[in-house]
Formats: sequence, structure tokens, C-alpha cells
Amino acid sequence: DVKVTQSSRYLVKRTGEKVFLECVQDMDHENMFWYRQDPGLGLRLIYFSYDVKMKEKGDIPEGYSVSREKKERFSLILESASTNQTSMYLCASRGQLNTEAFFGQGTRLTVV
Amino acid sequence: AQTVTQSQPEMSVQEAETVTLSCTYDTSESNYYLFWYKQPPSRQMILVIRQEAYKQQNATENRFSVNFQKAAKSFSLKISDSQLGDTAMYFCAFMKRGNYGQNFVFGPGTRLSVLP
Repeated sequence: DVKVTQSSRYLVKRTGEKVFLECVQDMDHENMFWYRQDPGLGLRLIYFSYDVKMKEKGDIPEGYSVSREKKERFSLILESASTNQTSMYLCASRGQLNTEAFFGQGTRLTVV
Repeated sequence: AQTVTQSQPEMSVQEAETVTLSCTYDTSESNYYLFWYKQPPSRQMILVIRQEAYKQQNATENRFSVNFQKAAKSFSLKISDSQLGDTAMYFCAFMKRGNYGQNFVFGPGTRLSVLP
């Protein structure tokens, strides 16, 4: 089974903190994605990566950065957390020859 | 840019009945894929069904089937014999067909409750 693992299910951080959300997949997938999920807005793409050290901005990259130093790991970084970044964050991966995306269980981040 | 619309924020259905969730999309692409993903209370997103736009035949997966109308840019999901385990958020999603780096565009979701 494909497994996408996010480092935390719940996280509480203070305004201004630097926050790291980690995602690891075990199926050698080329593509990895970070989405933000908010009620009524669905999933919105923050960043994606199609190869090691490659990254592309999604629809809402402001306030976020990413790192992909190894193929299996894709990190989302909030440089200075703000309350409007309180949300559910979902990581996903997809093989280059596949259409199906596999998701982690999400990290519910609260910034206070 | 592609957009995906789901006009029903919430729906409910009695157990064993049939329910249809609506999805429309906007794109100028001719080759693409459409998906329905399910997110139960556990938060684990699961692929329900996938449709390739170049295929005219509607996809089916057991109790789940789609009505794909390419000209109308409509992609509805029918769930037959609804079960309590079908209670979840359902997201319609679009992906361009391409060589690499293709990403998904999701709709806002429909919250489905199956009532005993």
C-alpha cells in the first residue's frame, strides 16, 4: 500500500513562530503536493514539486515556502506563522505515470 | 485556469437510497481527467472514481457511477444503495493530461450524510 505520512495530526503554534510540516511518501513518487483545506473553499494548492529540488508555486503560496531535498520528503514551511494560516494542511503524492493522488491524514494547525 | 464548482454544500440521504452529487467545471483543455475523492471523518482522502475525458463511457466502481457530459462540462456522482460508511465530504477534482507536474484542481466539496 502507498503510504503518505504527515508528521503531526494536530499542531498549535504561536504567532510569529517558524513552523515546519513534514511529509514522507514510500512509493518513490515524483510528484508531491501541499494543499490547504478550509470549509467552503475545498483544497487549494500551496506548492508542488515534480522532482527533487524542484518546486512550483500553486494558487496560494504567499507566506509559505517548501523544501524537497530528498525524493520521499516534502516539507512545508511557514516562515512566520499568522492566525490566518490556521487551517488543515494536506500532503499528497502521485507517480509520474499515474493519475491517482495519495494523501496523508492531514495536519490541523492552529496559530494562536 | 481551470475551476471546479460543486453547488451542493450539504446533502443527506436515507440508508439504501440513491443520491447524486453535482459537479461542473470550466476548462479550455480537451484532454483531462476528472475524479471524485471522499474524505470521511477520519480525514483520509480516498479516490472513489476516475474518468478520462477522451472516454465516452461513464466510469463505474461498484455502487458508484458517474454521469460525464463533456459538452456541458458536467460530472455528477451517483451513489446507489447508500451505506452509513458513505458519510463523508466528497470532492470533485480536475487534472490536465500531460507529461509531468500536473496538479489537481478541487471543488469546494459536498458534505453527505447518510441517515439510518
